[in-house]
Amino acid sequence: DADVTQTPRNRITKTGKRIMLECSQTKGHDRMYWYRQDPGLGLQLIYYSFDVKDINKGEISDGYSVSRQAQAKFSLSLESAIPNQTALYFCATSGTSSPDTQYFGPGTRLTVL
Amino acid sequence: AQKITQTQPGMFVQEKEAVTLDCTYDTSDPSYGLFWYKQPSSGEMIFLIYQGSYDQQNATEGRYSLNFQKARKSANLVISASQLGDSAMYFCAMREVSFGNEKLTFGTGTRLTIIP
Repeated sequence: DADVTQTPRNRITKTGKRIMLECSQTKGHDRMYWYRQDPGLGLQLIYYSFDVKDINKGEISDGYSVSRQAQAKFSLSLESAIPNQTALYFCATSGTSSPDTQYFGPGTRLTVL
Repeated sequence: AQKITQTQPGMFVQEKEAVTLDCTYDTSDPSYGLFWYKQPSSGEMIFLIYQGSYDQQNATEGRYSLNFQKARKSANLVISASQLGDSAMYFCAMREVSFGNEKLTFGTGTRLTIIP
């Protein structure tokens, strides 16, 4: 079984709809992250969390919100989806000891029409 | 200025040959980590190898090695004896530790195609 899972894997939605992407991990890591990847580009950080009570904005947090429901679960919400949020979304986790490598989920491909 | 630069948008390599993917970085943080990830056409991001700024030796993981030249600020990935399954996008990434920068900064990637 995969250590980091994301649901759904693919989603097509319409402008203005609320969307939630979910991430679960069995790695026992405290730190979790949400990134987005646009075609031809690297990944950009949306939000990250170091524990259940800790939420931090990344470099592109506008239009997104997150919830850390438990150590193992971190959800990303688009309150009112817009077409330029069409992208591949990744959840990642890391431990606290060096080298704190981030391990990624399989990604969610989101299309906003 | 770009923090991570990958100057090769695409590369074609004959199967079984070695390949070097270039990565240069820019930071004033004395403590940082460099990572390489592989993204096959299926889309997932697979961690390959890590190099810490204070590591004295180049990192190796199986067929992957990292040619770390600190003074030149380069961290090239070397894949020995390439295989068809190595065809993928490859991303170099950096985390600056001292600055409390928790994110990974990614380059734009190199698309590697292995030719049979």
